[in-house]
Amino acid sequence: SQTIHQWPATLVQPVGSPLSLECTVEGTSNPNLYWYRQAAGRGLQLLFYSVGIGQISSEVPQNLSASRPQDRQFILSSKKLLLSDSGFYLCAWSFGFGDTEAFFGQGTRLTVV
Amino acid sequence: KNQVEQSPQSLIILEGKNCTLQCNYTVSPFSNLRWYKQDTGRGPVSLTIMTFSENTKSNGRYTATLDADTKQSSLHITASQLSDSASYICVVRGSNTGKLIFGQGTTLQVKP
Repeated sequence: SQTIHQWPATLVQPVGSPLSLECTVEGTSNPNLYWYRQAAGRGLQLLFYSVGIGQISSEVPQNLSASRPQDRQFILSSKKLLLSDSGFYLCAWSFGFGDTEAFFGQGTRLTVV
Repeated sequence: KNQVEQSPQSLIILEGKNCTLQCNYTVSPFSNLRWYKQDTGRGPVSLTIMTFSENTKSNGRYTATLDADTKQSSLHITASQLSDSASYICVVRGSNTGKLIFGQGTTLQVKP
């Protein structure tokens, strides 16, 4: 069976500090990978998605970047955090085509202070 | 641009009442559509999937409908319970990219 791991669960970082959130998937090959952000009381906003190693698509201009160094590893990064980067970050994976089911990690609550 | 629009944005109902959530999409070609439930602070969990040939599907007190001609789907919740309080999200797979397109969700609050 497939599993997705996302860490850390919560993070408090000062403005201007770097960020690295990691997500790994087990039990499947060549998944589509996604990073979403959810501001308080808002819906899911797609930040990045990847259909393969080194293939990253950015949905919105922002202070964040993503990388996929291995098939089942997806990393969300920032060199200098802004207050507006605070939010709930979710990693997800899906099969490449066909079914629309996405499997989500437990999320990271990021607070930039 | 492929989009998924949900309405209402938020909804408050009394325990035991029914409600219907709407999802309109412009994604084409269409493969299938899913409804998710997201509890506060958790990742979304799938409720039901609707394929092109299906018009209605039930999962307990949840019933989803799909009209592929008008590109509309609805999620009907009967005899609501306090535990139904959550965000409900509609998602459609993007045309030929494999990307999942999520609606903004409807936040449902069930009050006693």
